[in-house]
Amino acid sequence: ETGVTQTPRHLVMGMTNKKSLKCEQHLGHNAMYWYKQSAKKPLELMFVYNFKEQTENNSVPSRFSPECPNSSHLFLHLHTLQPEDSALYLCASSRTGRLGTGELFFGEGSRLTVL
Amino acid sequence: AQKITQTQPGMFVQEKEAVTLDCTYDTSDQSYGLFWYKQPSSGEMIFLIYQGSYDEQNATEGRYSLNFQKARKSANLVISASQLGDSAMYFCAMRESYNFNKFYFGSGTKLNVKP
Repeated sequence: ETGVTQTPRHLVMGMTNKKSLKCEQHLGHNAMYWYKQSAKKPLELMFVYNFKEQTENNSVPSRFSPECPNSSHLFLHLHTLQPEDSALYLCASSRTGRLGTGELFFGEGSRLTVL
Repeated sequence: AQKITQTQPGMFVQEKEAVTLDCTYDTSDQSYGLFWYKQPSSGEMIFLIYQGSYDEQNATEGRYSLNFQKARKSANLVISASQLGDSAMYFCAMRESYNFNKFYFGSGTKLNVKP
């Protein structure tokens, strides 16, 4: 167990559906991230939250809507997605600041298929 | 320009042999961190090893070592005594000092360990 839990692990949705991905970290970290991983592409950073404040939005389409109610929970709300949004969505957390290496701790990912 | 380049899409290694996975990076920052992650077929990204740009010694973690050549901007991962469980995707990543939350990932190398 990595300390970062993502649900659901698999999701199939139609283009008109609304669904949400959930991420929870039990590591006491202050930063949380959403990454998108498509086949044969580098990981794409989508959003970063630091102490619940969004610090990065990497030009993500508005059909993806993040929510970070506290430092331990992160959501990705999905609506009117396109088939090209099918991918593995990875949540990660880290401790920012100058102590330690600040590496990312990842969840196991949510495999999304958009029909 | 790409920040992280991994030129080997796929590699094969015989069990119990050593293997080197290549990674080059591009930055003008003097202070940065380099990371390697392993991603098995389950999807989770597992942190392996870290090298700071000011670290004089190459990082080692068990069977993993990082061959850091600062002048050449390379940070190759060496896995000694390969095991079947090492078969996975491996990603190199970099974080620059001015943005502690932004990690740049390479496109990955798929390692297959043959029995």
